[in-house]
This record gives sequence, structure tokens and C-alpha cells, in this order.
Amino acid sequence: DAGVTQSPTHLIKTRGQQVTLRCSPKSGHDTVSWYQQALGQGPQFIFQYYEEEERQRGNFPDRFSGHQFPNYSSELNVNALLLGDSALYLCASSFDRRSYNSPLHFGNGTRLTVT
Amino acid sequence: AQSVTQLDSQVPVFEEAPVELRCNYSSSVSVYLFWYVQYPNQGLQLLLKYLSGSTLVESINGFEAEFNKSQTSFHLRKPSVHISDTAEYFCAVTPSGAGSYQLTFGKGTKLSVIP
Repeated sequence: DAGVTQSPTHLIKTRGQQVTLRCSPKSGHDTVSWYQQALGQGPQFIFQYYEEEERQRGNFPDRFSGHQFPNYSSELNVNALLLGDSALYLCASSFDRRSYNSPLHFGNGTRLTVT
Repeated sequence: AQSVTQLDSQVPVFEEAPVELRCNYSSSVSVYLFWYVQYPNQGLQLLLKYLSGSTLVESINGFEAEFNKSQTSFHLRKPSVHISDTAEYFCAVTPSGAGSYQLTFGKGTKLSVIP
């Protein structure tokens, strides 16, 4: 049973460029969340997608956008990259059970370096 | 809004010694509480969670955590650590009510087990 898979594993971009990160959720999961983990920090919530809609968003600018596809996979797009966007980007999936909080399953992340 | 404070950024401990990783949280509403572990170059894995019921929760690999509502704490303990426990540990919270889907993480505690 494949877990959460993310691609690419590493990426180097230049300031001002745009980047797209991809995530395939764990089998049976229908909800995808994205987190940014800067060096030495805990993960910070970017947004969550459910039923192809952004359901909740953290404190991130509009340069960060996403998409969820009918097969539940997801993309994270970041425009106009800044040096401060350098981080590990984690995708997490879960099954949306509204009766209790569904634990997240995390991928290994994409390491983005902005130069 | 919620916040999580992990009081120690690094904890060195000798093999087979006990360890406690401290976590305090702040929230105006009831919360669910989690401990995640991150091994080098990997994503986060759920270690244990508190949703309701018994305030003492245990993991399959010997860790336990106790929810203390009056002290707003959720400290992680293990009576005897192994080399393989070397990793970074993150405490996280989320509101227990409907309508919130984000986890708020602490900055993490790096546990180093010394042979």
C-alpha cells in the first residue's frame, strides 16, 4: 500500500520564478493538506483541499495556490519566488471523517531551494 | 488561535536512560493533541494522539504522553530510550470542534541518544 508520494524530491529555483510541487495521497484518502517547514522550524499549514476545493487556508500570501484533481492528487504552486520560500514542503493526506479528527499521513517532502 | 511551545530544542540522553520531551499549548477551545516524529530526510510520522478519554496515551514503541488540561501540557516520555529513537519530535494541536482542519506544530525537539 503506497503512502503519500511527493515529487520532485529536490528543486532549485531562482528568485522570481514559479514552481509546481506534486502530491499523490495515500490510497483511500480524499483530503490533502500542504505544510511548509523552514529550517529549524515546525511545519506551518498552507492550505487543505477536499472535494477539489480549498477548504481552509493558513497565513500565506496569494502567491501560494493549489489544486486538487478528481483522483485526489494535488499540486502546490508558488509564484514570484522569494529567498524566504526556501523550505521543505510537506504534503499530508487523510480521510475526511467528520466525526473525529483524522490523523495525517505525511510524505517525505520536496526540498525547495531559492537562489 | 492555538500555539505550541516545546521547551527544549535539543535533548541529549544516554541509551537506556529515561527521557521526557516537554510540550505546552495555548488554546481558547478544546483541542486534540498529537506527537509526530521525523527521522532524517523523511516526512513526519504520527507517534501518538489524544482525542478523548484516558489522559494517558501510549505508542507501540514504548512512548507515552499524558494530557494535563489544567497545566495545558502534553509531555512525551519513554522509560528507556534506544539508539533508534534518535529523531526530531514535534508536538501539535488542532481544535476538536468542526470547521478547523489545520495542525499547529511546535518548533520541535531533537532527541539524540548517546551510546
